[in-house]
Amino acid sequence: GAGVSQTPSNKVTEKGKYVELRCDPISGHTALYWYRQSLGQGPEFLIYFQGTGAADDSGLPNDRFFAVRPEGSVSTLKIQRTERGDSAVYLCASGHGGVVTGELFFGEGSRLTVL
Amino acid sequence: GNSVTQMEGPVTLSEEAFLTINCTYTATGYPSLFWYVQYPGEGLQLLLKATKADDKGSNKGFEATYRKETTSFHLEKGSVQVSDSAVYFCALSDGETSGSRLTFGEGTQLTVNP
Repeated sequence: GAGVSQTPSNKVTEKGKYVELRCDPISGHTALYWYRQSLGQGPEFLIYFQGTGAADDSGLPNDRFFAVRPEGSVSTLKIQRTERGDSAVYLCASGHGGVVTGELFFGEGSRLTVL
Repeated sequence: GNSVTQMEGPVTLSEEAFLTINCTYTATGYPSLFWYVQYPGEGLQLLLKATKADDKGSNKGFEATYRKETTSFHLEKGSVQVSDSAVYFCALSDGETSGSRLTFGEGTQLTVNP
């Protein structure tokens, strides 16, 4: 379809392993966001891309987390040396960026479980 | 910093009951306010929004009015249906930082019984 696509939908990994989560935004959307949603909580901002560059990465919890968007479309969130506390649903959203309107289109998320 | 506080859930109602989900916020400047809904097995989707004080957002029978004096954006619906069962998130976009970064509340689980 024409929505935001995230893969994998579920990922189970062991503590210490490396994980990549992919997001394919809506075609033409220049802004792309990653959020993390823990059980029973609202989404928490991680990083925002405008085009290829990370315009705001202030939500990344530490240097184990990194995200790229090399061609201004698909983005990959990378987590090194995973910890059990990284278990959450990772949401990707895209939009037209800019201020005020703020409507974002969300994918269904990638559920990460770290054993 | 910005923050959003929602009434604690879960909320359980009978079909055709009146719904209110309270939301208050703290923000600098003049934020835009949103309600997002997450149906079971689906991604978050925008339900309604208001971009300035006294604006009323409405969609699918839901309404919310941006009240600057009380820093609130309560969600209401006059007659809920079983299909409204979902998790509802209040959110704000401060409009002053790059992009339209959203700050979300914790969400309120609504269950509507037939």
